[in-house]
Amino acid sequence: AQSVTQLGSHVSVSEGALVLLRCNYSSSVPPYLFWYVQYPNQGLQLLLKYTSAATLVKGINGFEAEFKKSETSFHLTKPSAHMSDAAEYFCAVGPRGAQKLVFGQGTRLTINP
Amino acid sequence: EAGVAQSPRYKIIEKRQSVAFWCNPISGHATLYWYQQILGQGPKLLIQFQNNGVVDDSQLPKDRFSAERLKGVDSTLKIQPAKLEDSAVYLCASSLGGSSGSPGVLFFGPGTRLTVL
Repeated sequence: AQSVTQLGSHVSVSEGALVLLRCNYSSSVPPYLFWYVQYPNQGLQLLLKYTSAATLVKGINGFEAEFKKSETSFHLTKPSAHMSDAAEYFCAVGPRGAQKLVFGQGTRLTINP
Repeated sequence: EAGVAQSPRYKIIEKRQSVAFWCNPISGHATLYWYQQILGQGPKLLIQFQNNGVVDDSQLPKDRFSAERLKGVDSTLKIQPAKLEDSAVYLCASSLGGSSGSPGVLFFGPGTRLTVL
């Protein structure tokens, strides 16, 4: 069975500071990994994905994530936070070739002015 | 391109009542999902359709939940009778699916927020 654990249900950073949201996965097979973002009163939208190409993946809005097999991690980062980044972020894992995803519990990101 | 449509957006019912949610996926998307998102938790897959066939319903509480996807397009999710613990946001998502789709790339609707009193 595959699963993801997001460390920290709530992260708060200052505008302009580094954003780091942590995700660790568990999978018996090489996984696909994803980050989705959910803005208030909206559905989830894909931020970025790792599907076995480059281990450093760049997404929308300046976010990127690095797949580290040795650490079973897929942390999400952004060098400089903007107020518009305030949202809930979900890490997800899926088996290669399959369409089904298992989501983590989410991390709520708050940006302080 | 129109996104995934869901209705209603909000629903309040009393326990033991029944409720139905509707979803219209993105045109041409073969795969449709229903997820349940309880407050403070990540989305949990309830059922996955490929065209009008069920691919995975292992986490669907079949004694009270049912879903169908007639003609492989729109889908409805029904709860009968509802319990307090069914209070959640019900998310519909779609993807291209099959060999033409990018695995894991799902497009979500805005969700239906259900409150069971």
